[in-house]
Formats: sequence, C-alpha cells, structure tokens
Amino acid sequence: QSALTQPRSVSGSPGQSVTISCTGTSSDVGGYNYVSWYQQHPGKAPKLMIYDVSKRPSGVPDRFSGSKSGNTASLTISGLQAEDEADYYCCSYAGSYTEVFGTGTKVTVL
Amino acid sequence: QVQLQESGPGLVKPSETLSLTCAVSGYSISSGYYWGWIRQPPGKGLEWIGSIYHSGSTYYNPSLKSRVTISVDTSKNQFSLKLSSVTAADTAVYYCARELTTVTHDYWGQGTLVTVSS
Repeated sequence: QSALTQPRSVSGSPGQSVTISCTGTSSDVGGYNYVSWYQQHPGKAPKLMIYDVSKRPSGVPDRFSGSKSGNTASLTISGLQAEDEADYYCCSYAGSYTEVFGTGTKVTVL
Repeated sequence: QVQLQESGPGLVKPSETLSLTCAVSGYSISSGYYWGWIRQPPGKGLEWIGSIYHSGSTYYNPSLKSRVTISVDTSKNQFSLKLSSVTAADTAVYYCARELTTVTHDYWGQGTLVTVSS
C-alpha cells in the first residue's frame, strides 16, 4: 500500500485557478469513487474539503471542486485567495477497509 | 458540535508501547460511524493508522497491523490507540478523527505530538 502521488508544490496568483493531481492505481483511486481532499494550515489539524470524489461539505466554498479520471483524482481551486495557501492531501479507499493518503502538495499564492 | 481531544504521554522510550486516548464530546460513539487514528511525522505527510466501528470491529494499515491495537469504550465515549515496539520512526503528531463515510474524516482532534526517545 504505497502513498498516492501528488506534486510537491503548485502556485498561482490571486484569482487564478490551480489544479492538484493525485495519482494512484486501479487498486485505490481507480477502483472506487471514494476520494477525499484535506486542507492543512501550519500547526493545524486537516480540514475536509471534498469527499466522494466531488462532493463539498457544508461551509466549503464552491471555489473548491474535485474530479477523477482513471487512476488520477484532481482538486481544482478556482479564484485563488490568500487564505488558500496551505498543504493539501488526497485520500483514497484502497480496499479491504483500508485507506491511503497522498504525499501532499503545498499551494503557494504568489 | 462534535469535538475530539487526544491525550497521552508526549514522550515514549524506544521498544515501549505508545498509548493514546481520544475523548469525544457532542456525539455518542455508540450511535454509529467509524473512528480513526491518523499520524503525521514532523515535516511529512499524513498516514492512516486504523479505524474502529462503534461495535468494536477494527481495521488497520497493513504496514502497522502487527503493532497496532485500537479499542473503544462506549461508556466513557472514547476510543484508544496502542502502538507497540516503537522506534524513532514513530515520532509524529497523532490525530483522532470521525469517519463520516468511507475515507471522509469530517471532525478531527487538535493532534498530540508523541516523541520516541530515550
């Protein structure tokens, strides 16, 4: 059970869009529609941003959206804002009641 | 408002057993959902440790399974983690979280740093 692969960092200017990829295998991301995304600010606990690939919990801005194609899931932040600067992690079901997180991506707002 | 709070020793000696408890308020564990532990070594990413259902069914990360035990005490509305034979590689911030649905951790504790050192 290997960690899902995410880019180490992505950046964008305020108002722009950025997309974070999360690549796994047919045994995790590609095999199930159970992918979630978490935002983590320094020294804080992770916060749920997306679940079930593309669903947004109440209170999460609609600037955040999720999708999946094959073995790769993606998180898109549209209209980037300063407060979006944080680390982001994907998480996927990996079968047999187990789950695996991604390697994490640092989003920088230029 | 659901709240989770981790507690336990912040320092554990190598080869000993790490023990943490997560106290839940605002929701009764016996009402349902899975409850899990996730850790994060300093400066590194998140790692799922395992989960427990309110009935006591447990599921563990295969890479840690031989050393992990998660239990639940519904009378105290809390669940616990034990990790045996710890090494420096087990030094991390340990989080407890509620799992609303599959891989959907909607409420998290603030996290507690556990350092493994002699």
